[in-house]
Amino acid sequence: KAGVTQTPRYLIKTRGQQVTLSCSPISGHRSVSWYQQTPGQGLQFLFEYFSETQRNKGNFPGRFSGRQFSNSRSEMNVSTLELGDSALYLCASSRGDREGETQYFGPGTRLLVL
Amino acid sequence: SQQGEEDPQALSIQEGENATMNCSYKTSINNLQWYRQNSGRGLVHLILIRSNEREKHSGRLRVTLDTSKKSSSLLITASRAADTASYFCATDGGGADGLTFGKGTHLIIQP
Repeated sequence: KAGVTQTPRYLIKTRGQQVTLSCSPISGHRSVSWYQQTPGQGLQFLFEYFSETQRNKGNFPGRFSGRQFSNSRSEMNVSTLELGDSALYLCASSRGDREGETQYFGPGTRLLVL
Repeated sequence: SQQGEEDPQALSIQEGENATMNCSYKTSINNLQWYRQNSGRGLVHLILIRSNEREKHSGRLRVTLDTSKKSSSLLITASRAADTASYFCATDGGGADGLTFGKGTHLIIQP
């Protein structure tokens, strides 16, 4: 079974631009979660999508948004990029059961904002 | 915000020795999970322990959970060079916050 894939793997943008990251979950998984990892803040939860609906949301500004398609693939968008948005963005997929299920992570997209 | 706090922040041991990492958290949980990350890559799930479990084994891994102390430990026995990585604990409170990660323990296995 193929794992979680993320594209692109690396991205360089400048301040003020916007960026879209993509995540394809494991086949059969309906939940996709996004996390941001920085040296200073560590791993932080952005949001979770399940059946094309945002089910949970972390404490990030509205510049961070996402969506999920009918095939469970998900995209994350960051508008008006800031230097502090430089990070490794990880997505994770799971079946979508609510009780104690394992999340499987992709390799991440490393975003550098100049 | 971080809920879990791993201890130590860094650990260097000789190949073949055992490595123990600890994790403390603040609120009630449904389960606690341990992940490994190599050099800023994706996270690899190691083991999940539910709040009603006290100990779990998987190969060379042993995880304990003490909900009264809000703490967990990860033991890696007979360490290998390939175990060099950062290890994170993550708590699942069953709420709207997704997994809440600690800042990790960086483990270095010296050959």
